[in-house]
Parts: sequence; structure tokens; C-alpha cells
Amino acid sequence: GIQVEQSPPDLILQEGANSTLRCNFSDSVNNLQWFHQNPWGQLINLFYIPSGTKQNGRLSATTVATERYSLLYISSSQTTDSGVYFCAVGGSQGNLIFGKGTKLSVKP
Amino acid sequence: GAGVSQSPSNKVTEKGKDVELRCDPISGHTALYWYRQSLGQGLEFLIYFQGNSAPDKSGLPSDRFSAERTGGSVSTLTIQRTQQEDSAVYLCASSLVSGGAGGEQYFGPGTRLTVT
Repeated sequence: GIQVEQSPPDLILQEGANSTLRCNFSDSVNNLQWFHQNPWGQLINLFYIPSGTKQNGRLSATTVATERYSLLYISSSQTTDSGVYFCAVGGSQGNLIFGKGTKLSVKP
Repeated sequence: GAGVSQSPSNKVTEKGKDVELRCDPISGHTALYWYRQSLGQGLEFLIYFQGNSAPDKSGLPSDRFSAERTGGSVSTLTIQRTQQEDSAVYLCASSLVSGGAGGEQYFGPGTRLTVT
């Protein structure tokens, strides 16, 4: 099956810093999503991005499908950005296959 | 509009008892998925429903797990004879587009199951 690897596993930032999270996947996919899991466990949709580039405020994402990776950029980080960021790709039945996540801690 | 809802939010049960978890998908979404999140296994797929078609059960960990979807909307996940390793957060998701086309999935808040 498809493998999804995220890096780094942990990231500590000072408030205001920028960061880049990476997601590598092992096969072609027709769905790729980035999520933020908040401290209460809710998965918040950030981007639906099987290819191309999207931006939403301080966050942006790029997926290069032909090279099987996606990047999530966080600029001017805030303490509320803390949590776990998941990349997930679509399996053959459309179910999502998740990476292990990047745990982000933003310090004031 | 309303998002995906799940109930109960928390469930504590004794080993060997049966439990039922409920999911209400976003109105109009034809695809519904169950996942679970545990410390050791991360986020893993359990079962997928597309409309009124037979579900894809390929992710169910044992025959103690079953699920149904009534009228193409509400779904119930049932775990029989619960074991301690079933303790996890059970998440439901729905999408507008069928699974093969890769529709964006939206998740509910989850049910935290603890088996004592």
C-alpha cells in the first residue's frame, strides 16, 4: 500500500518564525489533504491539494504530484498554530492514508 | 452548515461489553468513512460507505467490528465483546464525491472509547 512519511516529527518555534513541513508519498494519488489537529483532538481541514499551490492567510501548500511530495508553509507562526499537522493521501477506495504527523510547538 | 457530528463524545465500558458509536455526516455527502486514532497505531482506516452500496470493510481489525448505514445517511459502528486494545478515538468523516474520485473529507469530533 501507499506509504506516507512526514518530516520533521517534532518542531519547536519561537512566535513569529516561519516553518516548512514536508510530506512524501510512495505512489500516485488523487487526493491529498493537510489537517491541523487541535489540542481537543478535532481535525481541521487546511488544504485539499492533490496538485498545485494554494494559500490561505499565513498558510500555504504546494504539491508536486510527479515527484510525490507536498509542502506546508507556515509564516509568522502564532501560539495558536501549535498542535499536530497531518498529511493524508487517498487510497484506492478513497480512504485517507495518514502520515504520523508533525508535532508543532510555538513558544511565546 | 452543520458539520459531521458524532455521539457519544466519550464512552467508558467494561471489557466484554458491546458498544455502539454514531455518526451523522454532512447533509448531502454520499461517502462516509470510519477511522480510529490510537497511540500505537496512529490514524487508521476502518470502513467506507458509498451511498447505499455494500461497504468496503477492508480496514476492520476483527469480526467483532461491524458498521451499518441507514438510508444512506446516519452510520453506526458496533464493537462487540470489547477488549482493552479497542481503546482509541473513533473518527467519522464524510465527503461529497465518491471515494475513487478523491473528494475532500471532513471529520467529526470523534468518540473517545475507553475499555476498562
